[in-house]
Amino acid sequence: SQQGEEDPQALSIQEGENATMNCSYKTSINNLQWYRQNSGRGLVHLILIRSNEREKHSGRLRVTLDTSKKSSSLLITASRAADTASYFCATEDSGGSNYKLTFGKGTLLTVNP
Amino acid sequence: NAGVMQNPRHLVRRRGQEARLRCSPMKGHSHVYWYRQLPEEGLKFMVYLQKENIIDESGMPKERFSAEFPKEGPSILRIQQVVRGDSAAYFCASSPLQGLDTEAFFGQGTRLTVV
Repeated sequence: SQQGEEDPQALSIQEGENATMNCSYKTSINNLQWYRQNSGRGLVHLILIRSNEREKHSGRLRVTLDTSKKSSSLLITASRAADTASYFCATEDSGGSNYKLTFGKGTLLTVNP
Repeated sequence: NAGVMQNPRHLVRRRGQEARLRCSPMKGHSHVYWYRQLPEEGLKFMVYLQKENIIDESGMPKERFSAEFPKEGPSILRIQQVVRGDSAAYFCASSPLQGLDTEAFFGQGTRLTVV
């Protein structure tokens, strides 16, 4: 079964609006990371949040982590057409190895100009 | 400082042929990780290598797949006798120390199509 499950699977918004994506996971984790993947391209690391952190900001990105609910959210504010991509969460399990990231299936974000 | 370089970007193989995927880590990085992404899926861990050593290959299929990271040259992921189900994007990541729990550097991937 998937460790990280993103929700929704697809999201379509207008430029300037905010986009919120959620990720749920099943096991205890050391950290959770968010990545962006443009169509047919590689992964770009966006942000890492550790299990003892609750919120983190980076530019227009805001990530929250609720370890009691085993969930995280990624908020992109003032979205742009260039934000159109798939977004994945990836977890590093606390009982596992720090090189084995478990990825979800991703949320496909489309930002319409 | 070039990033993680993977080649080829696209590879087409007929069933039964061999596929060789190459990954050159970032300068100064001696740890390499391979992940596979099936269509409409997230990435899944395959193997972790250091120079001349396979550290963890628990995500590798038992047959037909092998990986190496020689003292000199890129890391190679080799798939023998490819089948249609091997069609996927294969990503390589590298790090200076063990682990992807800080900023991880992924390559652009090799998209393998088996026809």
